[in-house]
Amino acid sequence: GESVGLHLPTLSVQEGDNSIINCAYSNSASDYFIWYKQESGKGPQFIIDIRSNMDKRQGQRVTVLLNKTVKHLSLQIAATQPGDSAVYFCAEIGWGGSQGNLIFGKGTKLSVKP
Amino acid sequence: EAGVAQSPRYKIIEKRQSVAFWCNPISGHATLYWYQQILGQGPKLLIQFQNNGVVDDSQLPKDRFSAERLKGVDSTLKIQPAKLEDSAVYLCASSQDRASGELFFGEGSRLTVL
Repeated sequence: GESVGLHLPTLSVQEGDNSIINCAYSNSASDYFIWYKQESGKGPQFIIDIRSNMDKRQGQRVTVLLNKTVKHLSLQIAATQPGDSAVYFCAEIGWGGSQGNLIFGKGTKLSVKP
Repeated sequence: EAGVAQSPRYKIIEKRQSVAFWCNPISGHATLYWYQQILGQGPKLLIQFQNNGVVDDSQLPKDRFSAERLKGVDSTLKIQPAKLEDSAVYLCASSQDRASGELFFGEGSRLTVL
């Protein structure tokens, strides 16, 4: 079964607030994690990635945090905008039988209220 | 830079019919992927090519699905015969190499099987 999952299927935030999207993984051997954004009718779009030798990585208005102790990662979006409304997937590179392929979780739908 | 091109965008067929999807990856990308995304779920890998060779097709239902990537550029995914449960969006993605978690996705081909 999938080793990447999400705590909440939906998240609603006010425009301008910060958003936090959480993700848990079960494979302690996973060492590379990626966040994707998928807008309605489009393919997923890469946001940010992090490797297991880091616990934090920042991009433009986004920060990914990785807690290997509890096998949890989160995506923080600062000053959330209406254009951030989308489904967000965390994904991991699976090894062994998956031969290094991207495994997606189920996704969290982010809705931004004006 | 042109993105990943897919066609057709939409296809409606009856069960037991056949369908083919086409993908043109980003120029120079050696790795090409086909994902299946059922409504409300994350994308699931069907097959991965490195140039014109298959790297992983462990989750491809080979009794009905086939894919090829002739000359290491364009790719086609075929379903024959289609079943109701094949209704999904078929996403093509490409990346510069297998180790990259940054995949570039097309907009997908939405298949409805009646």
